[in-house]
Amino acid sequence: EDQVTQSPEALRLQEGESSSLNCSYTVSGLRGLFWYRQDPGKGPEFLFTLYSAGEEKEKERLKATLTKKESFLHITAPKPEDSATYLCAAVYSSASKIIFGSGTRLSIRP
Amino acid sequence: EPEVTQTPSHQVTQMGQEVILRCVPISNHLYFYWYRQILGQKVEFLVSFYNNEISEKSEIFDDQFSVERPDGSNFTLKIRSTKLEDSAMYFCASRSTGGVDTQYFGPGTRLTVL
Repeated sequence: EDQVTQSPEALRLQEGESSSLNCSYTVSGLRGLFWYRQDPGKGPEFLFTLYSAGEEKEKERLKATLTKKESFLHITAPKPEDSATYLCAAVYSSASKIIFGSGTRLSIRP
Repeated sequence: EPEVTQTPSHQVTQMGQEVILRCVPISNHLYFYWYRQILGQKVEFLVSFYNNEISEKSEIFDDQFSVERPDGSNFTLKIRSTKLEDSAMYFCASRSTGGVDTQYFGPGTRLTVL
């Protein structure tokens, strides 16, 4: 069965304390991997798309990387406004649907 | 910046009633999707739609659900006879063509079935 698994479920960091979120996947016919940010009661906000092992994308304090079996979202020197749930999602080769992981709830303390 | 919009933001209905959730996708997008998220759970795929046809649907998307593009701008999800377990956030998403896979999500409609 195709799966996207994220860890940890929740992560509390001090402001400025860098860390990484993990997304492992077993998806047949994988086309690519998305990272989204979701604030409470809101829709997922697009961050990155990764297609190939070894690919990296960066945006402000976030960097996403991809291997053949997992993806990491690295957050460098986070600020309280980075607090959110970060979702990983796999898109199928048909591009007709994506399946989401359960997310990592990130909390940054000032 | 173009964005996906959804109405209403919150819908309360009685069990057994029909509801229609509305979405206006980004204007030059041709692929449309509905997802749902039960409180505290994963975002789940419901259906994808392209060229006035359903491309793919999940096992959640049974005969109680239907989708329509009634005009050039709206995309709707209808639930014919709501159940308590249909209570969730419903998200619409759209994407462009030309090999760009990114799906852009709307803010969601919170459906509460009493």
